[in-house]
Amino acid sequence: AQSVTQPDIHITVSEGASLELRCNYSYGATPYLFWYVQSPGQGLQLLLKYFSGDTLVQGIKGFEAEFKRSQSSFNLRKPSVHWSDAAEYFCAVGARDSSYKLIFGSGTRLLVRP
Amino acid sequence: ETGVTQSPTHLIKTRGQQVTLRCSSQSGHNTVSWYQQALGQGPQFIFQYYREEENGRGNFPPRFSGLQFPNYSSELNVNALELDDSALYLCASSQVNSPLHFGNGTRLTVT
Repeated sequence: AQSVTQPDIHITVSEGASLELRCNYSYGATPYLFWYVQSPGQGLQLLLKYFSGDTLVQGIKGFEAEFKRSQSSFNLRKPSVHWSDAAEYFCAVGARDSSYKLIFGSGTRLLVRP
Repeated sequence: ETGVTQSPTHLIKTRGQQVTLRCSSQSGHNTVSWYQQALGQGPQFIFQYYREEENGRGNFPPRFSGLQFPNYSSELNVNALELDDSALYLCASSQVNSPLHFGNGTRLTVT
């Protein structure tokens, strides 16, 4: 079955510290991969996407993610977290011929300590 | 550039009633998708519309239906509301095979 697992429900980091959010997926073929961020009471904002090519992708707000086919992972990273990064982060996968039909993980809530 | 807008922002309905949620797509986008996000969960795909026809559907019953209009705006209709329908309903627009752009959602509470 197709699925996305985000093993960390909550993560707390200090402002200025580095961040890595984990995402593992189960899919029949290489999917399109996405990270979205959701602030309280808001919709989802696209941080970055992987379609093909370079497995390290850069996104907005200083985020990056690395696609590792052998591990079925697409972890999100940021070298230095800002207080404004506190939000819920969702990893998602989509089929190459129907990328509108995304399968989302259950999310990781990021808390940032001053 | 105007993003995806949804109305209303909040809605309270009674079990058994019907509800209509509305969405205006981002300029230049020709597909619209709807997602349901229950509290504490990730969004779940309901369906997508392209060229005013349903183009794909998730695991939702027929009482969830939709429309896409010539101007690419869309409606989500839910009949015979159940308590479990309480959720944030997200609309997303895109061009074909391009990333989804989401609106801020409509929070539906069913009592």
